Amino acid sequence: DTAVSQTPKYLVTQMGNDKSIKCEQNLGHDTMYWYKQDSKKFLKIMFSYNNKELIINETVPNRFSPKSPDKAHLNLHINSLELGDSAVYFCASSQDWGSLQETQYFGPGTRLLVL
Amino acid sequence: QKEVEQNSGPLSVPEGAIASLNCTYSDRGSQSFFWYRQYSGKSPELIMSIYSNGDKEDGRFTAQLNKASQYVSLLIRDSQPSDSATYLCAVNNRGNQFYFGTGTSLTVIP
Repeated sequence: DTAVSQTPKYLVTQMGNDKSIKCEQNLGHDTMYWYKQDSKKFLKIMFSYNNKELIINETVPNRFSPKSPDKAHLNLHINSLELGDSAVYFCASSQDWGSLQETQYFGPGTRLLVL
Repeated sequence: QKEVEQNSGPLSVPEGAIASLNCTYSDRGSQSFFWYRQYSGKSPELIMSIYSNGDKEDGRFTAQLNKASQYVSLLIRDSQPSDSATYLCAVNNRGNQFYFGTGTSLTVIP
């Protein structure tokens, strides 16, 4: 069974569209994250949720809105897509929040291309 | 200044050699340090974590941490072509936020 899964794997869309990426983890973890990885491989955290509550909200345009319906799911909705949003988006999860020894487990990534 | 800095490479080593990957971080209060490996087109996977000064060995991998110098490294002994990947250094600071470096691309030449 896949520990952290994301859908879709690839997403090609036009500028101005609205799209969503879904993430699910079956590890029983309390904390989930969204990262953006640009073409230079820089992996930057966007959001972090612990037990369905937003913990970290880095400087991200408000066109990006995360939603966590339950502990196992963290979705990312993007409004009015721009060319600069093209990147790979990774979902990740960890057991708990607050332990500095937490290991993060990553999903397979969603490759977003905005035309 | 970035939170975590790595030499982007590419780093090339012959098969069987030792590959040495380096990382520096800016927050002196950082507590936890991780090395992830990322194959092209794949997601990062954890290969080592280290929390206290000194060396930590796991198979062919050795992580080294020097908090005074704010420096963490990864040594890969007996490098194999399958080790060719991008290696990401990650640091968990006091605010429990993970910061990643831009990664070092390693190529092991058969």
